[in-house]
Amino acid sequence: GENVEQHPSTLSVQEGDSAVIKCTYSDSASNYFPWYKQELGKRPQLIIDIRSNVGEKKDQRIAVTLNKTAKHFSLHITETQPEDSAVYFCAASHSGSARQLTFGSGTQLTVLP
Amino acid sequence: ETGVTQTPRHLVMGMTNKKSLKCEQHLGHNAMYWYKQSAKKPLELMFVYNFKEQTENNSVPSRFSPECPNSSHLFLHLHTLQPEDSALYLCASSPGQSHFSGNTIYFGEGSWLTVV
Repeated sequence: GENVEQHPSTLSVQEGDSAVIKCTYSDSASNYFPWYKQELGKRPQLIIDIRSNVGEKKDQRIAVTLNKTAKHFSLHITETQPEDSAVYFCAASHSGSARQLTFGSGTQLTVLP
Repeated sequence: ETGVTQTPRHLVMGMTNKKSLKCEQHLGHNAMYWYKQSAKKPLELMFVYNFKEQTENNSVPSRFSPECPNSSHLFLHLHTLQPEDSALYLCASSPGQSHFSGNTIYFGEGSWLTVV
Protein backbone atom coordinates (compact mmCIF):
# COMPACT_ATOMS: atom_id res chain seq x y z
CA GLY A 1 0.00 0.00 0.00
CA GLU A 2 0.85 3.68 -0.01
CA ASN A 3 3.32 5.06 2.51
CA VAL A 4 3.60 8.80 3.12
CA GLU A 5 6.55 10.28 5.00
CA GLN A 6 6.32 13.87 6.26
CA HIS A 7 9.11 16.14 7.49
CA PRO A 8 9.82 17.91 9.69
CA SER A 9 7.63 16.84 12.60
CA THR A 10 7.98 20.27 14.21
CA LEU A 11 8.84 23.61 12.64
CA SER A 12 9.25 27.02 14.22
CA VAL A 13 9.57 30.18 12.13
CA GLN A 14 9.55 33.88 12.82
CA GLU A 15 6.49 35.80 11.76
CA GLY A 16 6.93 36.97 8.18
CA ASP A 17 9.32 34.19 7.25
CA SER A 18 8.47 31.29 4.95
CA ALA A 19 7.73 27.73 6.02
CA VAL A 20 8.21 24.59 3.94
CA ILE A 21 6.88 21.14 4.76
CA LYS A 22 7.86 18.15 2.64
CA CYS A 23 6.24 14.80 1.98
CA THR A 24 7.31 11.77 0.03
CA TYR A 25 5.07 8.98 -1.17
CA SER A 26 5.76 5.45 -2.31
CA ASP A 27 2.98 4.57 -4.75
CA SER A 28 3.71 5.94 -8.21
CA ALA A 29 0.01 5.52 -9.07
CA SER A 30 -0.98 8.22 -6.57
CA ASN A 31 -2.48 11.19 -8.36
CA TYR A 32 -4.11 13.36 -5.70
CA PHE A 33 -2.26 15.20 -2.93
CA PRO A 34 -4.24 17.29 -0.42
CA TRP A 35 -2.95 19.27 2.53
CA TYR A 36 -4.96 19.65 5.72
CA LYS A 37 -4.54 22.17 8.54
CA GLN A 38 -5.63 21.26 12.04
CA GLU A 39 -5.72 23.99 14.64
CA LEU A 40 -5.63 23.01 18.29
CA GLY A 41 -8.86 21.31 19.30
CA LYS A 42 -10.38 21.66 15.85
CA ARG A 43 -11.05 19.49 12.82
CA PRO A 44 -8.55 18.98 10.01
CA GLN A 45 -9.53 21.28 7.14
CA LEU A 46 -8.46 21.10 3.54
CA ILE A 47 -6.33 24.12 2.66
CA ILE A 48 -5.00 23.21 -0.77
CA ASP A 49 -4.66 20.21 -3.02
CA ILE A 50 -2.87 19.29 -6.20
CA ARG A 51 -3.47 16.66 -8.83
CA SER A 52 -0.78 14.88 -10.76
CA ASN A 53 -1.41 16.73 -14.01
CA VAL A 54 0.14 19.95 -12.63
CA GLY A 55 3.43 20.72 -10.95
CA GLU A 56 2.46 23.70 -8.85
CA LYS A 57 -0.61 25.36 -7.43
CA LYS A 58 -0.94 28.61 -5.51
CA ASP A 59 -3.62 30.14 -3.34
CA GLN A 60 -2.59 33.49 -1.88
CA ARG A 61 0.21 32.78 0.63
CA ILE A 62 0.03 29.02 0.21
CA ALA A 63 1.54 26.97 -2.58
CA VAL A 64 2.07 23.31 -3.22
CA THR A 65 4.64 21.80 -5.57
CA LEU A 66 4.70 18.26 -6.90
CA ASN A 67 7.61 16.29 -8.34
CA LYS A 68 6.16 13.07 -9.70
CA THR A 69 9.52 11.70 -10.79
CA ALA A 70 10.96 12.00 -7.31
CA LYS A 71 7.60 11.22 -5.68
CA HIS A 72 7.58 14.15 -3.37
CA PHE A 73 5.41 17.19 -2.81
CA SER A 74 5.79 20.22 -0.60
CA LEU A 75 3.70 22.89 1.09
CA HIS A 76 5.05 26.42 1.05
CA ILE A 77 3.65 29.16 3.27
CA THR A 78 4.99 32.65 2.70
CA GLU A 79 4.75 35.69 4.98
CA THR A 80 3.73 33.48 7.89
CA GLN A 81 1.38 34.83 10.53
CA PRO A 82 0.65 33.62 14.08
CA GLU A 83 -2.69 32.21 12.90
CA ASP A 84 -0.79 29.85 10.62
CA SER A 85 0.32 27.98 13.75
CA ALA A 86 -1.28 24.52 13.53
CA VAL A 87 -0.58 20.92 12.63
CA TYR A 88 -0.36 20.34 8.89
CA PHE A 89 -1.01 16.94 7.33
CA CYS A 90 -0.16 15.87 3.82
CA ALA A 91 -1.91 12.97 2.14
CA ALA A 92 -1.81 10.97 -1.05
CA SER A 93 -4.27 8.80 -2.90
CA HIS A 94 -5.09 7.35 -6.29
CA SER A 95 -7.94 5.86 -8.27
CA GLY A 96 -10.25 8.77 -7.54
CA SER A 97 -11.14 7.18 -4.22
CA ALA A 98 -10.95 8.98 -0.90
CA ARG A 99 -10.91 5.68 0.93
CA GLN A 100 -7.34 5.20 -0.22
CA LEU A 101 -6.16 8.51 1.20
CA THR A 102 -2.99 7.91 3.21
CA PHE A 103 -1.92 10.64 5.61
CA GLY A 104 1.51 11.75 6.72
CA SER A 105 2.27 11.96 10.44
CA GLY A 106 1.83 15.73 10.61
CA THR A 107 3.99 18.81 11.16
CA GLN A 108 3.47 21.11 14.12
CA LEU A 109 4.13 24.60 12.77
CA THR A 110 4.68 27.40 15.27
CA VAL A 111 4.91 30.97 14.04
CA LEU A 112 6.70 33.12 16.60
CA PRO A 113 5.59 36.75 16.86
CA GLU B 1 -19.12 25.29 9.18
CA THR B 2 -21.52 22.50 10.21
CA GLY B 3 -21.25 20.16 7.24
CA VAL B 4 -20.22 17.18 9.38
CA THR B 5 -21.36 17.11 12.98
CA GLN B 6 -20.31 14.70 15.68
CA THR B 7 -21.75 13.94 19.09
CA PRO B 8 -20.72 13.76 21.81
CA ARG B 9 -17.67 15.99 21.61
CA HIS B 10 -16.24 14.46 24.79
CA LEU B 11 -16.84 11.04 26.27
CA VAL B 12 -15.36 9.31 29.30
CA MET B 13 -16.21 5.66 29.66
CA GLY B 14 -15.17 2.69 31.73
CA MET B 15 -13.80 -0.44 30.17
CA THR B 16 -17.05 -2.33 30.75
CA ASN B 17 -19.33 0.38 29.38
CA LYS B 18 -21.17 0.47 26.07
CA LYS B 19 -21.45 3.80 24.31
CA SER B 20 -21.90 5.14 20.80
CA LEU B 21 -20.48 7.99 18.77
CA LYS B 22 -22.75 9.65 16.25
CA CYS B 23 -21.95 11.45 13.03
CA GLU B 24 -24.22 13.29 10.64
CA GLN B 25 -23.31 14.96 7.37
CA HIS B 26 -25.35 17.64 5.64
CA LEU B 27 -23.32 17.79 2.44
CA GLY B 28 -25.20 15.27 0.32
CA HIS B 29 -22.15 13.02 0.24
CA ASN B 30 -22.24 9.31 -0.40
CA ALA B 31 -19.16 8.15 1.48
CA MET B 32 -18.51 8.34 5.21
CA TYR B 33 -15.49 7.39 7.30
CA TRP B 34 -14.25 6.88 10.81
CA TYR B 35 -10.66 7.90 11.59
CA LYS B 36 -8.71 7.53 14.82
CA GLN B 37 -6.26 10.26 15.77
CA SER B 38 -3.76 9.50 18.51
CA ALA B 39 -0.96 11.74 19.72
CA LYS B 40 2.11 11.75 17.47
CA LYS B 41 0.60 9.26 15.01
CA PRO B 42 -0.80 9.65 11.49
CA LEU B 43 -4.54 9.66 11.07
CA GLU B 44 -5.66 6.04 11.03
CA LEU B 45 -8.53 5.07 8.76
CA MET B 46 -10.86 2.67 10.56
CA PHE B 47 -13.96 2.18 8.43
CA VAL B 48 -15.34 3.33 5.10
CA TYR B 49 -18.94 3.30 3.97
CA ASN B 50 -19.95 4.06 0.41
CA PHE B 51 -23.68 4.30 -0.32
CA LYS B 52 -24.35 2.75 3.12
CA GLU B 53 -22.24 -0.30 2.36
CA GLN B 54 -19.04 -0.96 4.28
CA THR B 55 -16.22 -1.02 1.78
CA GLU B 56 -13.23 -1.02 4.09
CA ASN B 57 -12.38 -2.25 7.56
CA ASN B 58 -8.75 -1.60 8.39
CA SER B 59 -8.24 -4.51 10.79
CA VAL B 60 -10.14 -2.72 13.52
CA PRO B 61 -10.82 -4.74 16.70
CA SER B 62 -14.36 -5.99 17.08
CA ARG B 63 -14.88 -3.84 20.18
CA PHE B 64 -15.48 -1.06 17.62
CA SER B 65 -18.66 -1.68 15.65
CA PRO B 66 -19.76 0.76 12.94
CA GLU B 67 -23.29 1.28 11.70
CA CYS B 68 -24.45 3.27 8.70
CA PRO B 69 -28.26 3.36 8.46
CA ASN B 70 -28.22 5.84 5.56
CA SER B 71 -25.78 8.01 3.62
CA SER B 72 -26.14 10.88 6.08
CA HIS B 73 -25.59 9.08 9.37
CA LEU B 74 -22.76 7.01 10.77
CA PHE B 75 -22.35 5.51 14.21
CA LEU B 76 -19.45 3.94 16.03
CA HIS B 77 -20.58 1.57 18.77
CA LEU B 78 -18.05 1.06 21.54
CA HIS B 79 -17.90 -1.79 24.04
CA THR B 80 -15.27 -3.22 26.39
CA LEU B 81 -12.68 -0.70 25.26
CA GLN B 82 -9.12 -0.50 26.52
CA PRO B 83 -7.27 2.57 27.85
CA GLU B 84 -5.14 2.58 24.69
CA ASP B 85 -8.31 3.26 22.71
CA SER B 86 -8.38 6.75 24.18
CA ALA B 87 -8.05 9.12 21.23
CA LEU B 88 -9.84 11.63 19.05
CA TYR B 89 -12.29 9.89 16.75
CA LEU B 90 -12.97 11.82 13.59
CA CYS B 91 -15.88 11.26 11.27
CA ALA B 92 -15.56 12.41 7.69
CA SER B 93 -17.46 12.37 4.43
CA SER B 94 -16.73 12.79 0.76
CA PRO B 95 -18.81 12.96 -2.41
CA GLY B 96 -17.94 9.36 -3.14
CA GLN B 97 -16.24 7.33 -5.80
CA SER B 98 -18.47 8.50 -8.60
CA HIS B 99 -16.94 11.98 -8.60
CA PHE B 100 -13.38 12.92 -9.36
CA SER B 101 -13.63 15.39 -6.50
CA GLY B 102 -14.53 12.43 -4.31
CA ASN B 103 -11.00 12.52 -3.04
CA THR B 104 -11.78 15.58 -0.93
CA ILE B 105 -12.61 14.57 2.61
CA TYR B 106 -14.50 16.82 4.99
CA PHE B 107 -13.97 16.14 8.66
CA GLY B 108 -16.20 16.60 11.68
CA GLU B 109 -14.90 18.25 14.84
CA GLY B 110 -14.20 14.89 16.42
CA SER B 111 -15.18 13.07 19.59
CA TRP B 112 -12.58 12.99 22.36
CA LEU B 113 -12.77 9.57 23.96
CA THR B 114 -11.15 8.72 27.27
CA VAL B 115 -11.29 5.12 28.50
CA VAL B 116 -10.69 4.72 32.22
